[in-house]
Amino acid sequence: AQTVTQSQPEMSVQEAETVTLSCTYDTSESDYYLFWYKQPPSRQMILVIRQEAYKQQNATENRFSVNFQKAAKSFSLKISDSQLGDAAMYFCAYRSAISQGAQKLVFGQGTRLTINP
Amino acid sequence: DTAVSQTPKYLVTQMGNDKSIKCEQNLGHDTMYWYKQDSKKFLKIMFSYNNKELIINETVPNRFSPKSPDKAHLNLHINSLELGDSAVYFCASSPRGRGANVLTFGAGSRLTVL
Repeated sequence: AQTVTQSQPEMSVQEAETVTLSCTYDTSESDYYLFWYKQPPSRQMILVIRQEAYKQQNATENRFSVNFQKAAKSFSLKISDSQLGDAAMYFCAYRSAISQGAQKLVFGQGTRLTINP
Repeated sequence: DTAVSQTPKYLVTQMGNDKSIKCEQNLGHDTMYWYKQDSKKFLKIMFSYNNKELIINETVPNRFSPKSPDKAHLNLHINSLELGDSAVYFCASSPRGRGANVLTFGAGSRLTVL
């Protein structure tokens, strides 16, 4: 079974600075997808960024980018120019590409990110 | 318009009671899910339905019974509630097919069992 590990329960960063959240995963599959979700205090789960394992290029969405290291099974999230609104729990998630129907996401334990003004 | 809506958002009840959480999506997605987030914020899938057919059923006590009257609705019924059932329950939906199709989550329903 696949597992996802986020080794940083909490992180903090000064506003406008850059922070990197770590994620590692364990799988024997070669084709899969990786995601970062954000959960602010409102509880809503919001997709931040996604990466297809077959793509070598790291995904980027505005101030959010990933460092995808397939051989190392690492998928870190970099947030540049941190803003107060980035404060949230961040979850890394894995999904196998085998299943064409249901999208079973396997989540990490989450990292709570605090932004200091 | 809310894409995935759950009701109620908060539910407080006594041990032993039976309760339901309703979920509706207006995205035209074929697949719907229930995830449970425990007190440590850990999220785990419980069930998934595709066009009213159960396709994922994780190791969940049979006190939990999902019901999908149509592909836009997936309700969760819980019998004989226990203290350990206290959690936030998230409904989600996704389109069918290969690709990194994204799950759209509801806002969650916080269940507290006293």
